[in-house]
Amino acid sequence: DIRMTQSPASLSASLGETVNIECLASEDIYGDLAWYQQKPGKSPQLLIYNANTLQNGVPSRFSGSGSGTQYSLKINSLQSEDVATYFCQQYNNYPPTFGAGTKLELK
Amino acid sequence: QIQLVQSGPELKKPGESLKISCKASGYTFTDYAMQWVKQAPGKGLQYMGWINTQTGKPTYTDDFKERFVFSLETSASTAYLQINNLKNEDTATYFCARRDYNNYGFAYWGQGTLVTVSS
Repeated sequence: DIRMTQSPASLSASLGETVNIECLASEDIYGDLAWYQQKPGKSPQLLIYNANTLQNGVPSRFSGSGSGTQYSLKINSLQSEDVATYFCQQYNNYPPTFGAGTKLELK
Repeated sequence: QIQLVQSGPELKKPGESLKISCKASGYTFTDYAMQWVKQAPGKGLQYMGWINTQTGKPTYTDDFKERFVFSLETSASTAYLQINNLKNEDTATYFCARRDYNNYGFAYWGQGTLVTVSS
């Protein structure tokens, strides 16, 4: 199975700040990567697919980039509603696998 | 709109069995496979496998081949996850999920079913 290593595990940032979360795949996943946001007690929400395509309805302050084995999620101008845990997921190889998550809190 | 609605929380003893339902609406049930994902308390997401909603054929990942059963009631647009011989480590929230029409991310999720296994 492809291993997804996400960093950092937790992150504290201020309102209006820019935040970056990284995801490293154990092998090339050719851009087949999704990012999810999960708030406490809720289901994950798909933010980005194909590494850089914003899912319908997701605010444009979220963006994704990367290729090969290295990917990142960027949140511009952090809002209070962005406090959540973020997961990456590869779907290039079966089974799809998730990163361990990044917990984002407000400073 | 597309919805996946799961059954309510369960409290079970070790060795018992349970069956979680996931009722789909807003789309043709057999057009998309149903995925299952486990999330232990305070932990990440673990992919369990999927069921082909046209044929009923389930596929399990290695950790879920022994006591876990995916099934369907197509006439009711419902997928089921059965867990047999429950163990303490099965305590988790279980999600059903579906991909979107244009990508392989899981765009639609059930609200989750919390399963607690305790003697």
